[in-house]
Amino acid sequence: KNQVEQSPQSLIILEGKNCTLQCNYTVSPFSNLRWYKQDTGRGPVSLTIMTFSENTKSNGRYTATLDADTKQSSLHITASQLSDSASYICVVRTFNSGTYKYIFGTGTRLKVLA
Amino acid sequence: KAGVTQTPRYLIKTRGQQVTLSCSPISGHRSVSWYQQTPGQGLQFLFEYFSETQRNKGNFPGRFSGRQFSNSRSEMNVSTLELGDSALYLCASSLELARERNNEQFFGPGTRLTVL
Repeated sequence: KNQVEQSPQSLIILEGKNCTLQCNYTVSPFSNLRWYKQDTGRGPVSLTIMTFSENTKSNGRYTATLDADTKQSSLHITASQLSDSASYICVVRTFNSGTYKYIFGTGTRLKVLA
Repeated sequence: KAGVTQTPRYLIKTRGQQVTLSCSPISGHRSVSWYQQTPGQGLQFLFEYFSETQRNKGNFPGRFSGRQFSNSRSEMNVSTLELGDSALYLCASSLELARERNNEQFFGPGTRLTVL
């Protein structure tokens, strides 16, 4: 069964600290993996997208990694800021026989405290 | 360029009623997808429209339907509302069909539907 699991469910860190969010997937075949940031009351905003051949991709203080062999991805946030408080959602796209599907994780809720 | 807009932002209905949600995509975007987001299930794909045609559909009952107009604006309708339909309904627009490998979807702020 195609699934995307994220951990931890929630996380509280102090401003300025680093953190890493995990995404494990059992989706096959794999097309790409995207990390979204969703602020409370807003729609998700894309942070990074990674294809099979990409190991690392950065977007400012956000760095995503992908290990296609172990089907794991992580999102590392450096020097966290209060504005990083949000839910982070991992999405894996699968494409087969002319149809596609996005499999969403349930997200990690991050709270950054001053 | 204006982002994706959704109306209304909040809605309260009672069981058995029906509801229509509206989505205006980013100018020039032709694909509109709808998602349901609940705390326990995360985001679940409802359907995608492109050039006024439904191109892909998720695993939702027939009570959920949609349509797209010639200006790419889209509406989603839910009939005979149930308590479990309470959720945030998100609309996402993109230039091309979401089946394009690295096609990016831009999400609207969502419509928060509460069914009493």
